[in-house]
Amino acid sequence: AQSVTQPDIHITVSEGASLELRCNYSYGATPYLFWYVQSPGQGLQLLLKYFSGDTLVQGIKGFEAEFKRSQSSFNLRKPSVHWSDAAEYFCAVGANTDKLIFGTGTRLQVFP
Amino acid sequence: DTEVTQTPKHLVMGMTNKKSLKCEQHMGHRAMYWYKQKAKKPPELMFVYSYEKLSINESVPSRFSPECPNSSLLNLHLHALQPEDSALYLCASSDPGRSNEKLFFGSGTQLSVL
Repeated sequence: AQSVTQPDIHITVSEGASLELRCNYSYGATPYLFWYVQSPGQGLQLLLKYFSGDTLVQGIKGFEAEFKRSQSSFNLRKPSVHWSDAAEYFCAVGANTDKLIFGTGTRLQVFP
Repeated sequence: DTEVTQTPKHLVMGMTNKKSLKCEQHMGHRAMYWYKQKAKKPPELMFVYSYEKLSINESVPSRFSPECPNSSLLNLHLHALQPEDSALYLCASSDPGRSNEKLFFGSGTQLSVL
């Protein structure tokens, strides 16, 4: 069965600390992989995506993610978190955008 | 213009009302989507229109009726909704002709059914 798991429901970090949000997937082939961010009451904004090629992808707002085929993971990282990064983060996978499977999300809280 | 615009931003309706949600994009995208998102949950796909034809209906109840009048507009007509239909309704678009297509989301309509 196809699925996306974000093991961490809620993460709290101090401003300036490093961040890693985990995402594991189960899929029949190598899917397209995405990370989206959502502020309260807002739509989703794409941070980065992986289709093929270099397994370390750079995104907007200083985020990056690494695709590890052997671990079926696509973890999101940021070296230094800013207070404005507080939001809900969704990992998503799919063969195309028509049928994206979203994870349950990780809520990031940032303390000053 | 890289925006997907949704109106209204907030909507409160009774169970006997008829209302419509509207979505508009001017990026030339030929695929448009409706998602439903309950609080603290991921978005759930409802409908997909591709080249103005309904291509995916994820077994959505008939009290939700989508319409795509042209390539820039997408509506969601609501009738006889239930309180459990209260949610954030998100519209999205994409360009199926691009090899690395991505979804562009609107800010959503927060719907409350009383």
